[in-house]
Amino acid sequence: EAQVTQNPRYLITVTGKKLTVTCSQNMNHEYMSWYRQDPGLGLRQIYYSMNVEVTDKGDVPEGYKVSRKEKRNFPLILESPSPNQTSLYFCASSFSPLGGSNTIYFGEGSWLTVV
Amino acid sequence: DAKTTQPTSMDCAEGRAANLPCNHSTISGNEYVYWYRQIHSQGPQYIIHGLKNNETNEMASLIITEDRKSSTLILPHATLRDTAVYYCIVRVVRYNQGGKLIFGQGTELSVKP
Repeated sequence: EAQVTQNPRYLITVTGKKLTVTCSQNMNHEYMSWYRQDPGLGLRQIYYSMNVEVTDKGDVPEGYKVSRKEKRNFPLILESPSPNQTSLYFCASSFSPLGGSNTIYFGEGSWLTVV
Repeated sequence: DAKTTQPTSMDCAEGRAANLPCNHSTISGNEYVYWYRQIHSQGPQYIIHGLKNNETNEMASLIITEDRKSSTLILPHATLRDTAVYYCIVRVVRYNQGGKLIFGQGTELSVKP
C-alpha cells in the first residue's frame, strides 16, 4: 500500500530540546516536502526536496532543518524548539516536482507541542 | 502565485449532490487545479485534479470553466463521511518552487441527514 509515514504522531517536548520528526515514503517518489498547519493560517510549506541531497526552503523555514540522504526518507529537525513551533506537521511526497499532474500524497500528521 | 477563493462553509443534504465552487482568476496556463479534503486533522486526502478539461473519478467530478478562472467540485451523492474541509489548490510547477501546493482556507462542508 502506498504510504507516507510520519513519526512520532504525537509529541510534547520542552523548549530547546532537539527533536526529529521522521518521514518515510514507499513509492520511490523524488519529491518530498514538509508543511505545518496552524489555526487561521492553513497549511504552509516549510522545506522541500527535489531529490536526494537536493533541498530548499519553503515559505516558513525558520527554526527548522531537513536532510535527504536517501530517497525514501526526509526527516524534519528542530534544533532548538520554541513554543511558536507548536503545530500540526505534515510530510508529503510525489513522483516528480515538475509536471503538474503528479499527485501529492500526505502523511497522517504529527502533533507537536513545545512547552 | 495563483490564489484561490472558496466559500467558508456550505451545507448539503445527505444523498444530494454537493457543488463546491472555487475561484482562481490568476491561474497560469500550465498550473493545475487540485482538490483535497481534510477530515478533522488527518492528512489531506487527494480527490481529483485537472488542467483544462472536466475530470471524473470514483470520488468526484471536476468542472473547469473554459477561461480556467473558476472550477466546481461535485460530490454526486454526498454522505455523512464526506463532511470535511475541502481545499481548492493551484499547483505551482516552476522548478524553483518544487511543485508546492498553496492551501487557502478551504470550504467546510457539512453533510446533514
